[in-house]
Amino acid sequence: KNQVEQSPQSLIILEGKNCTLQCNYTVSPFSNLRWYKQDTGRGPVSLTIMTFSENTKSNGRYTATLDADTKQSSLHITASQLSDSASYICVVTDSNYQLIWGAGTKLIIKP
Amino acid sequence: NAGVTQTPKFQVLKTGQSMTLQCAQDMNHEYMSWYRQDPGMGLRLIHYSVGAGITDQGEVPNGYNVSRSTTEDFPLRLLSAAPSQTSVYFCASSTGTGITNTEAFFGQGTRLTVV
Repeated sequence: KNQVEQSPQSLIILEGKNCTLQCNYTVSPFSNLRWYKQDTGRGPVSLTIMTFSENTKSNGRYTATLDADTKQSSLHITASQLSDSASYICVVTDSNYQLIWGAGTKLIIKP
Repeated sequence: NAGVTQTPKFQVLKTGQSMTLQCAQDMNHEYMSWYRQDPGMGLRLIHYSVGAGITDQGEVPNGYNVSRSTTEDFPLRLLSAAPSQTSVYFCASSTGTGITNTEAFFGQGTRLTVV
């Protein structure tokens, strides 16, 4: 069964620190992988999208990496800010264009 | 820029009641969809539409109906509410025929409680 697993479930870090969120998937073959940010009480907003041929994609302080061989992706946040507190969701699109959503990592930035 | 607008933001229903969750987008997107989000789980697709007059079932369609009479609107109807339908509901729209290489835009969600 196609699955997307994210770790950790939740993470607390101090403002200014870096962190890395993980996404492992079993979707094969896949079309693309996207990271979304979801603020509390809001809908998800896209951060990055990568196809199987891309290794890295950056969006400001957010850098996503993809290893299609090991079926792993990570989202690295540099110099965290209070506004980074949110849930981060990994979504994989399969070859039938169906979206497989991870449950998300809840990130809390403390001052 | 309105984007995707969902109403209401909060709703409490009694078991057996029916209601309609409204969703409207002003971006002229063809593809619209409804998801539910439950704690500890990924978003699950309820129904989707690839254009006016065309709808199809997603992963968890039971207990819900949709229609798409215009490009802009995609309402979700709960026929007879059950406590298992307590969830946060999101409407999304995107260009093209799927949320693939194009970006999906989400509404701010409707938090529904069925008692």
